[in-house]
Amino acid sequence: GENVEQHPSTLSVQEGDSAVIKCTYSDSASNYFPWYKQELGKRPQLIIDIRSNVGEKKDQRIAVTLNKTAKHFSLHITETQPEDSAVYFCAARASGTYKYIFGTGTRLKVLA
Amino acid sequence: GAGVSQTPSNKVTEKGKYVELRCDPISGHTALYWYRQSLGQGPEFLIYFQGTGAADDSGLPNDRFFAVRPEGSVSTLKIQRTERGDSAVYLCASRPAGGGDTQYFGPGTRLTVL
Repeated sequence: GENVEQHPSTLSVQEGDSAVIKCTYSDSASNYFPWYKQELGKRPQLIIDIRSNVGEKKDQRIAVTLNKTAKHFSLHITETQPEDSAVYFCAARASGTYKYIFGTGTRLKVLA
Repeated sequence: GAGVSQTPSNKVTEKGKYVELRCDPISGHTALYWYRQSLGQGPEFLIYFQGTGAADDSGLPNDRFFAVRPEGSVSTLKIQRTERGDSAVYLCASRPAGGGDTQYFGPGTRLTVL
């Protein structure tokens, strides 16, 4: 079955710097990759997603890149702000299923 | 409109007891998921419903866990003979009909087994 690994587990950046979180997946049939932000004690919320037919997607300060050959995808946050501090989860879903496998999360701290 | 809701928000029980956790999905969402999230971990897939039927229950850890969705809307996750290792936040998510990919999560139920 699908396995998703996420790195790093914690990340501290200065306000205004960029943050990059990386995930790898095992199932080459995976074709949908969402990213979720979870603030302390709150529900995960989708922030961006990408499908396997594109290599990059941007939404303001957030971008996701996908390398299908290497089976990894990354979240990029530019001009980080203190409110970006949260736990971020990547996930993957294999083609033909609606089962989502999540990574173990990255705790991002943006230092003011 | 209203988002996914879950009740109770917190549940404390004793080892060996039976618990039921409830999920109310967004109206009209045909797909419903249950996940378990332990401290410091990502959501772990338990079961997925499409309508009333369990389309994939491969994540249920053992036969103490069972879930139903009899009318295709509200779902109940049932845990028998609870163990301390069952302590976690149980998240529910729903997804709209028409094959959309986005899941919308509920606030979760924090289960503590003493």
